[in-house]
Amino acid sequence: GAVVSQHPSWVICKSGTSVKIECRSLDFQATTMFWYRQFPKQSLMLMATSNEGSKATYEQGVEKDKFLINHASLTLSTLTVTSAHPEDSSFYICSAIGGVENIQYFGAGTRLSVL
Amino acid sequence: AQSVTQPDIHITVSEGASLELRCNYSYGATPYLFWYVQSPGQGLQLLLKYFSGDTLVQGIKGFEAEFKRSQSSFNLRKPSVHWSDAAEYFCAVGATGTASKLTFGTGTRLQVTL
Repeated sequence: GAVVSQHPSWVICKSGTSVKIECRSLDFQATTMFWYRQFPKQSLMLMATSNEGSKATYEQGVEKDKFLINHASLTLSTLTVTSAHPEDSSFYICSAIGGVENIQYFGAGTRLSVL
Repeated sequence: AQSVTQPDIHITVSEGASLELRCNYSYGATPYLFWYVQSPGQGLQLLLKYFSGDTLVQGIKGFEAEFKRSQSSFNLRKPSVHWSDAAEYFCAVGATGTASKLTFGTGTRLQVTL
């Protein structure tokens, strides 16, 4: 089946630093990937749509300069949380479109804790 | 815009009992519907999906769901719950096809008692 790998699974950083999260489609190519954010005991909120070779499309209310997305290849999209602050602490999940049925497959998520 | 409602925030069932998790959607055309399961600290695993055709859909782990257009529902069922089914369940709808971005419901947390 289609596998999406997300790295790291957990990261702790100091306030003001930047953190990069990687999302890789391991056995398929994905022209489109999505980035979601999930607060404790809440649903997933779409942050942005990442398209290979073009700029990401951000959802309303998501700061483009805070959450930088790069989709440089058909198997890798990265989310960089710039100048992270405690309120950015959350669970970030990526997904990639692919597989035989061309549907979303999700990574295992990254827990970000900003001190 | 599409939306998804999962009326039950938390459900507790005994192991071996049957289960039904409710999902109602709002969308003008034929939706693409999904059920995902999430274990604590993990990503989402696809249980089943409905695009077209037979309205009763079979999924993994013994789950099934029925699409009812007249009720705008896509309820998830399992005849006999196992303790390992305890998790968070999310219903989602996509509007523009199989590869469209998804709108998720708020989730239902399933607790299984032994």
